[in-house]
Amino acid sequence: QVELVESGGGLVKPGGSLRLSCAASGFTFSDYYMSWIRQAPGKGLEWISYISNSGSSEMYTDSVEGRFTVSRDNAKNSLYLQMNTLRAEDTAVYYCVRAVGYGPGAHFDYWGQGTLVTVSS
Amino acid sequence: EIVLTQSPATLSLSPGEGATLSCRASHSVSKYLAWYQQKPDQAPRLLIYDASKRATGIPARFSGSGSGTDFTLTISSLEPEDFAVYYCQQRSNWPLTFGGGTKVEIK
Repeated sequence: QVELVESGGGLVKPGGSLRLSCAASGFTFSDYYMSWIRQAPGKGLEWISYISNSGSSEMYTDSVEGRFTVSRDNAKNSLYLQMNTLRAEDTAVYYCVRAVGYGPGAHFDYWGQGTLVTVSS
Repeated sequence: EIVLTQSPATLSLSPGEGATLSCRASHSVSKYLAWYQQKPDQAPRLLIYDASKRATGIPARFSGSGSGTDFTLTISSLEPEDFAVYYCQQRSNWPLTFGGGTKVEIK
């Protein structure tokens, strides 16, 4: 069965950095595009990044462009999110999700349990 | 950016009743709209994609309809486990965006 397990969340000071990891299993990881989606406490869902199956193409929402970098290691079935220059408004649960869909964009058929990132002094 | 507006914000219903949730897009998203269910302290679950296709394992009481800018998620008869927050999401244009959610609560 498909499983996505995030790790690396925690408390970080404003301006600091954090790297999230996601271990994937139960499917051929290298066949799928992947995304990160976040949810601030008590708020809705926000898509933040997207990476192609080969890792050659990435996309970001404006609020994290230039600060966050998504990457993957298909040999390790792993997805990463490097987060730099963190702000209080980046505080959220971060979900690793599998992206599917032909044509424009994607919808998300499997989600990890999420990892909480708290940015506070 | 395409803005998705969900209504109502809260729906108070009893088990066995039907539920109709709306999602309106600021610009046409063609058929490229998905619906998700989220229960407290759980990750969202995909229910419907491409407006009307049920995801794997989703009961037939969930159905989706619409195209362009107006979409509907219908739950034909609410089961106790259906009380949750529902989000719509478009994949027609970047950035991918979600609606603000509709909470279906027990009356």
